[in-house]
Amino acid sequence: GDQVEQSPSALSLHEGTGSALRCNFTTTMRAVQWFQQNSRGSLINLFYLASGTKENGRLKSTFNSKESYSTLHIRDAQLEDSGTYFCAASSSSFSKLVFGQGTSLSVVP
Amino acid sequence: EAAVTQSPRSKVAVTGGKVTLSCHQTNNHDYMYWYRQDTGHGLRLIHYSYVADSTEKGDIPDGYKASRPSQENFSLILELASLSQTAVYFCASSDGTGGSYEQYFGPGTRLTVL
Repeated sequence: GDQVEQSPSALSLHEGTGSALRCNFTTTMRAVQWFQQNSRGSLINLFYLASGTKENGRLKSTFNSKESYSTLHIRDAQLEDSGTYFCAASSSSFSKLVFGQGTSLSVVP
Repeated sequence: EAAVTQSPRSKVAVTGGKVTLSCHQTNNHDYMYWYRQDTGHGLRLIHYSYVADSTEKGDIPDGYKASRPSQENFSLILELASLSQTAVYFCASSDGTGGSYEQYFGPGTRLTVL
């Protein structure tokens, strides 16, 4: 079935630095969502993309359906950015989401 | 912003017992979903619904039933709870109009089966 391969599985950043998370898809996806799961376990919506690039503050996400990948860029990382980041993508019209395994991000002083 | 609530927020159940998890959304969304998350993993789809009184199987439906009595409410039922069903369960909803199917998630229900 549809698969979402997310990397890296874990990442440590110093405050003020940045990095990129990536998801590769094994089939053509129609849309992608990125979430942050915080320490309480809640899923926070970061981005929903059907194509192109979106930016929100220190976060930027790109979705390339033709090349089957999506990225999430974090710049100027802050301590509150720590958590687990998930990408999830849908290949069908009613948006069943297939989740990646997550990236555990730790931002340290 | 979408408001999805779940009850209970945590539950301890005995093996073989019946468990019902409830989800309520107040945003007039047509689509609702149930996912489970196992420790250290992403979410997997159990059941979903795109209209009241109708449910569909997701990727891992075995051992679960779902009920959508109204547009606002979606329940997940474990008729005979098993140890392997210990997990965190998330409900979500999405609209679908205008081509956007962005899903909004509830806070989750932590289920422990003993």
